[in-house]
Amino acid sequence: RKEVEQDPGPFNVPEGATVAFNCTYSNSASQSFFWYRQDCRKEPKLLMSVYSSGNEDGRFTAQLNRASQYISLLIRDSKLSDSATYLCVIPTSGTYKYIFGTGTRLKVLA
Amino acid sequence: DAGVIQSPRHEVTEMGQEVTLRCKPISGHDYLFWYRQTMMRGLELLIYFNNNVPIDDSGMPEDRFSAKMPNASFSTLKIQPSEPRDSAVYFCASSATWDRGNTGELFFGEGSRLTVL
Repeated sequence: RKEVEQDPGPFNVPEGATVAFNCTYSNSASQSFFWYRQDCRKEPKLLMSVYSSGNEDGRFTAQLNRASQYISLLIRDSKLSDSATYLCVIPTSGTYKYIFGTGTRLKVLA
Repeated sequence: DAGVIQSPRHEVTEMGQEVTLRCKPISGHDYLFWYRQTMMRGLELLIYFNNNVPIDDSGMPEDRFSAKMPNASFSTLKIQPSEPRDSAVYFCASSATWDRGNTGELFFGEGSRLTVL
């Protein structure tokens, strides 16, 4: 099993829709979790960290489910500008070895 | 503030040639990472350094790849000899130690797009 797994998509959704992605991880000792966004032919950039209690930033909500070993990202009221690849990142426990999932591609359609 | 700076942005070379990619991390960051991104394999961690010392190079594909960090403001990734399967985007990223009140965010450079013919 890969350390970090994501559904590659693409997820094609209309503007205004709500969409959610999951990312599963294999190391139950993992402590830190992140979502990054990558636009086409650009570098990845931090979207948000994922806290144990869940966190929200505007239209974006990130949650952690330790029992089932996955994190999720929910995007409400999708905009055309949300079209990108969303990468989950989980450092190997006790290290700075940041492991990236392969990413989930989102296309928001007009 | 200057971000992570990589050069060259694009490189086209012929099989067998030596390729050197360069990276200047954000000043004050003590971690530096080299990643390779391809459509098939996504973002793969090749190697990372802490205070200029290589910590984990288990992702380096083979002996043709080498990385150095001679000082806190410069790192190189070298491929010798290069092969067509090395064609990819190579990203450098830097980060600061989490216990200094930092969130652990990785800051990426714009990448070096390598094509080996």
